[in-house]
Amino acid sequence: GAGVSQSPRYKVAKRGQDVALRCDPISGHVSLFWYQQALGQGPEFLTYFQNEAQLDKSGLPSDRFFAERPEGSVSTLKIQRTQQEDSAVYLCASRVIGYNEQFFGPGTRLTVL
Amino acid sequence: QKEVEQNSGPLSVPEGAIASLNCTYSDRVSQSFFWYRQYSGKSPELIMSIYSNGDKEDGRFTAQLNKASQYVSLLIRDSQPSDSATYLCASGAAGNKLTFGGGTRVLVKP
Repeated sequence: GAGVSQSPRYKVAKRGQDVALRCDPISGHVSLFWYQQALGQGPEFLTYFQNEAQLDKSGLPSDRFFAERPEGSVSTLKIQRTQQEDSAVYLCASRVIGYNEQFFGPGTRLTVL
Repeated sequence: QKEVEQNSGPLSVPEGAIASLNCTYSDRVSQSFFWYRQYSGKSPELIMSIYSNGDKEDGRFTAQLNKASQYVSLLIRDSQPSDSATYLCASGAAGNKLTFGGGTRVLVKP
């Protein structure tokens, strides 16, 4: 079946612009995660949804970061007033309830100029 | 100290040899452990999960877990050039967020 999809795959933003990154999880996957991966580092957790409920947002680096999943399927990660330090790959992962394995989408590479 | 530690490498192994990757974790409440492979410019791909002490084998891959020593390892037998990638170790607590190490870069030389 289809895997996790993310769009756009690449995004270039000028500093101060707002961006919205989309994640479409694997069908039937209740849990959805967002991670941020800086160049040369491992992914860092941002936030976690179970259905439409955001159960953990402890990894969001500032109040400029906001995530939502209003209908329990597609999720959007929004970054307001982007800064250069926001440049990274944003990864979305989904998971079937009752299992621990997370499956990643292709990521969105964000470059803030 | 990072919660999950890996040697960044590169770990260079000849084709056909065994690649041995190590990972230590600091959070004793971690219950699940994963190895992901990440090719340059691509996203992480799950290759192994392990939950209990001991060994778990899947094809050419063997994961080993020692909770007393807070240590996880991955062996890649009969290494192939296509195994050249960064291998990420991750721990999970309470079945939710994953905490990743920085990854070990593996180079398999023909």
